[in-house]
Amino acid sequence: KQEVTQIPAALSVPEGENLVLNCSFTDSAIYNLQWFRQDPGKGLTSLLLIQSSQREQTSGRLNASLDKSSGRSTLYIAASQPGDSATYLCASRIDGGTSYGKLTFGQGTILTVHP
Amino acid sequence: ETGVTQSPTHLIKTRGQQVTLRCSSQSGHNTVSWYQQALGQGPQFIFQYYREEENGRGNFPPRFSGLQFPNYSSELNVNALELDDSALYLCASSYLQGSHTEAFFGQGTRLTVV
Repeated sequence: KQEVTQIPAALSVPEGENLVLNCSFTDSAIYNLQWFRQDPGKGLTSLLLIQSSQREQTSGRLNASLDKSSGRSTLYIAASQPGDSATYLCASRIDGGTSYGKLTFGQGTILTVHP
Repeated sequence: ETGVTQSPTHLIKTRGQQVTLRCSSQSGHNTVSWYQQALGQGPQFIFQYYREEENGRGNFPPRFSGLQFPNYSSELNVNALELDDSALYLCASSYLQGSHTEAFFGQGTRLTVV
């Protein structure tokens, strides 16, 4: 059974700092890993998708890496802004089985960027 | 804008009642999944429909059921509502294609059971 853990649970930083969010998973047989952003009471916005054959993906100030062998992914946010304040969730998509396509989520990291 | 829409956005029901939540998938997607997100938790997988058939289910009782229609819209039905069913219900749309599969979520339906 896949388990996904995110560290830290909460993070508060001043504007302009570079920061790293961590995600670990127990089963390395994944199709891909997806990072999401969630604003309070809202749905999930997809930030980055890393396929199992890839090591990293970049979009603007965001960079996500994937190390399947160690069961880890990181989301790097450069030059953080108050608008980045949200909950960040990582989710792995398992490789086959009866729940093909199922996403297993971590509990999220609550990020606060203060001016 | 993900192209995935859910209705209603908020709902209040009484314990023991039944509820139907709706989701309209992104055009061209053949798969819809439903997730339950309790306050302060990550989303939990309920089930998935692929081409109108259920092809995966999480650890949820049979009173959680669903349908997917030919136009790839979907419903989540919950019978005999319990207080613990209060949560944000999320619908995700995707086109299954191995490691390229990316999920797009709707804005969610906030269900409160009193």
